[in-house]
Amino acid sequence: AQKVTQAQTEISVVEKEDVTLDCVYETRDTTYYLFWYKQPPSGELVFLIRRNSFDEQNEISGRYSWNFQKSTSSFNFTITASQVVDSAVYFCALSESTGGGNKLTFGTGTQLKVEL
Amino acid sequence: DTGVSQDPRHKITKRGQNVTFRCDPISEHNRLYWYRQTLGQGPEFLTYFQNEAQLEKSRLLSDRFSAERPKGSFSTLEIQRTEQGDSAMYLCASSLWQGFKGYEQYFGPGTRLTVT
Repeated sequence: AQKVTQAQTEISVVEKEDVTLDCVYETRDTTYYLFWYKQPPSGELVFLIRRNSFDEQNEISGRYSWNFQKSTSSFNFTITASQVVDSAVYFCALSESTGGGNKLTFGTGTQLKVEL
Repeated sequence: DTGVSQDPRHKITKRGQNVTFRCDPISEHNRLYWYRQTLGQGPEFLTYFQNEAQLEKSRLLSDRFSAERPKGSFSTLEIQRTEQGDSAMYLCASSLWQGFKGYEQYFGPGTRLTVT
């Protein structure tokens, strides 16, 4: 069975600090997909990134970057120069390619608070 | 291009009543998913459709829950004889599935159900 662990329940930083959100996953599939979603106080889940298991290149998008390491089953998310608008709950999720309709298994989320 | 919409956004009902939620996916998306999110947790998969066919249901979906997607467009989720434990945010997501390749899921704003 697939599982996603986000050990950090809550992180508080001061604006402009860098912050890394950890995600560790478990799966028996050799092909799978990893995702990060942001859930601001309004409640709507916002898609941030999708990563295929066969592509271990790290990715940067503006202030966001993702570090995918198959060897440690981790898919960490770093926000550089954090801003107050980054305050939200961030979810890491996993879907397997074999059956299951690509349903998502989510972690419990990390609440990020960015203060002035 | 409009996103996923859900109606109603909030629903308060008394224990034992039936409730029905509606989800309108992104128009070209052929897959539609329902998730449930309780406070402090990540969303949990309930069921999904490919076009009008319901292909998988989670064990979380008791006999009191039923979902439909007539004509492969909008979907409804009905809960009969509601219980206080049904209080949660019900999230709908849609995605495109083409040629054995799936893409990211986009979520609606959710319907928050409170059972009193």
